[in-house]
Amino acid sequence: ETGVTQTPRHLVMGMTNKKSLKCEQHLGHNAMYWYKQSAKKPLELMFVYSLEERVENNSVPSRFSPECPNSSHLFLHLHTLQPEDSALYLCASSQVRWLAEPNEQFFGPGTRLTVL
Amino acid sequence: DAKTTQPPSMDCAEGRAANLPCNHSTISGNEYVYWYRQIHSQGPQYIIHGLKNNETNEMASLIITEDRKSSTLILPHATLRDTAVYYCIVRTSDSWGKFQFGAGTQVVVTP
Repeated sequence: ETGVTQTPRHLVMGMTNKKSLKCEQHLGHNAMYWYKQSAKKPLELMFVYSLEERVENNSVPSRFSPECPNSSHLFLHLHTLQPEDSALYLCASSQVRWLAEPNEQFFGPGTRLTVL
Repeated sequence: DAKTTQPPSMDCAEGRAANLPCNHSTISGNEYVYWYRQIHSQGPQYIIHGLKNNETNEMASLIITEDRKSSTLILPHATLRDTAVYYCIVRTSDSWGKFQFGAGTQVVVTP
């Protein structure tokens, strides 16, 4: 595997279910991100992890719970979601070097989530 | 990070150059200009970035005005596979590497 992978690619869940989205990066990067993209809306940054510590949480509801067990893996645990949470969830990684030229982010293909 | 303004959509004929404008009039001296694109329902793809000088790579060219208040992404020979939403983003190096995506420009390349 190369780049950034995400599983599953598609997920349908009920409002009472608990599921998890997985992201894995094979690039040796030190930062990982979760984005949400709802229909016809710009990407919204949800969480930022740098060196496995959460450094940003953009007012995301607690029904979304991220986990970063190591620098290569990022999870998004989902529970009691609402239909309006249906969206494309994108994971990205980058190599962050403080106060140096910012490096590009590499995105995964996304997980298309539908909440019934 | 500075806000950017892009036209919502533009069409381009296959084989012709596509010139995508972006205004970033409040850009600071340490902010870089990045371009990404997103083909329908896929993850965004990095295209190019620059600070002051014009840049070129195998995908595109980036022209930044001398006052840095605007830039243009040039796709030299557009193909049907270049149909996508193109995002212009400005950001600094001290922002945890995060990007603030706007609405972008929907580019449609027609035969």
